[in-house]
Amino acid sequence: KAGVTQTPRYLIKTRGQQVTLSCSPISGHRSVSWYQQTPGQGLQFLFEYFSETQRNKGNFPGRFSGRQFSNSRSEMNVSTLELGDSALYLCASSLVPGANSPLHFGNGTRLTVT
Amino acid sequence: KQEVTQIPAALSVPEGENLVLNCSFTDSAIYNLQWFRQDPGKGLTSLLLIQSSQREQTSGRLNASLDKSSGRSTLYIAASQPGDSATYLCAVETSGSRLTFGEGTQLTVNP
Repeated sequence: KAGVTQTPRYLIKTRGQQVTLSCSPISGHRSVSWYQQTPGQGLQFLFEYFSETQRNKGNFPGRFSGRQFSNSRSEMNVSTLELGDSALYLCASSLVPGANSPLHFGNGTRLTVT
Repeated sequence: KQEVTQIPAALSVPEGENLVLNCSFTDSAIYNLQWFRQDPGKGLTSLLLIQSSQREQTSGRLNASLDKSSGRSTLYIAASQPGDSATYLCAVETSGSRLTFGEGTQLTVNP
């Protein structure tokens, strides 16, 4: 069974641009969540989607948004990029939310903003 | 607001040693606690999940305990190996699939 797939693996963008990251969950998993990892702040929750609906949102500005498609694939978008958005963005999937089942993480997208 | 703390931040041990990683959290209203491993430049690998009603979970050389009332968990690694070198992260789930993570313990096992 294929794991969580995130594309692209690396991205370099300039301040002010926007970026879209993609996540394909494990087959059969319908819940997808996103996390940002930085050396200073550690791992922080961005948002969670289930059945194409955002169920939960972390404490991030509105420049960060996401969506989930009917096949459970998810994308997150960051507009008007800032230097501080440089981070490893991790996607995780699970069967359904709150099922006490472990989250399965992808290898992440490393975003560098210059 | 849930806060998760991991001690120590870094640990270096010789191969074969048994070791304990510590995790504490401030709000005991959790669904579960999970331990993850992260290798450099990679995502997270789930090691153990302890539901709030459980006291411990075991997988191979790993044993994790949970004391929800005191807000503590430990990860015990027996007979450590160089391949165990990684960052170990503790996380608590408080709603849905929303995890609050600790800062991690960077473990180095020396041959």
